[in-house]
Amino acid sequence: EAEVAQSPRYKITEKSQAVAFWCDPISGHATLYWYRQILGQGPELLVQFQDESVVDDSQLPKDRFSAERLKGVDSTLKIQPAELGDSAMYLCASRFRQGRTDTQYFGPGTRLTVL
Amino acid sequence: GIQVEQSPPDLILQEGANSTLRCNFSDSVNNLQWFHQNPWGQLINLFYIPSGTKQNGRLSATTVATERYSLLYISSSQTTDSGVYFCAVDLGDSNYQLIWGAGTKLIIKP
Repeated sequence: EAEVAQSPRYKITEKSQAVAFWCDPISGHATLYWYRQILGQGPELLVQFQDESVVDDSQLPKDRFSAERLKGVDSTLKIQPAELGDSAMYLCASRFRQGRTDTQYFGPGTRLTVL
Repeated sequence: GIQVEQSPPDLILQEGANSTLRCNFSDSVNNLQWFHQNPWGQLINLFYIPSGTKQNGRLSATTVATERYSLLYISSSQTTDSGVYFCAVDLGDSNYQLIWGAGTKLIIKP
């Protein structure tokens, strides 16, 4: 069964360093989402892509976060410089539509710890 | 904006018990989904259920769209059912973005 791939699974970094996360959605899924999830809360949307174009990045802290999906397939989310408050789970999802079903499938996530 | 509220926030049960989780939403929605987040953080789709009732093994879900709530039933709980259960709704706009509840944390004790 096709899955959304993410790497790394875990990342520990020191504040002020740069970090990058990678996501490969399920083949053929044009819509890709990056979420941040703080422990005890639901996922928070950071950025949404349709193919290579950004659809919504209104919740992305653009002073330190950037995201790209250059060829409309895999995507990278970067934080520079990382801050203590960025410690969270970063989730990637892609959209699946078939008939009346319209849902999102999630990758395993990258758990970031900033020291 | 639309509010999605889940209850209870926490639930601790013995293995074999049954449970009901509730999701209320404050406005009309296009569809509603239930997800399970396991202890390792993986979010797994359980049900896509804008209305009606669906069953999958020991789990079933019912959404009453006219009354703006959905229920997730877990029967004969197993320790592997532990984790956080989220409901999420979408409003049917072109962006297809999910609005999430805060989740119900379920612990099943052996």
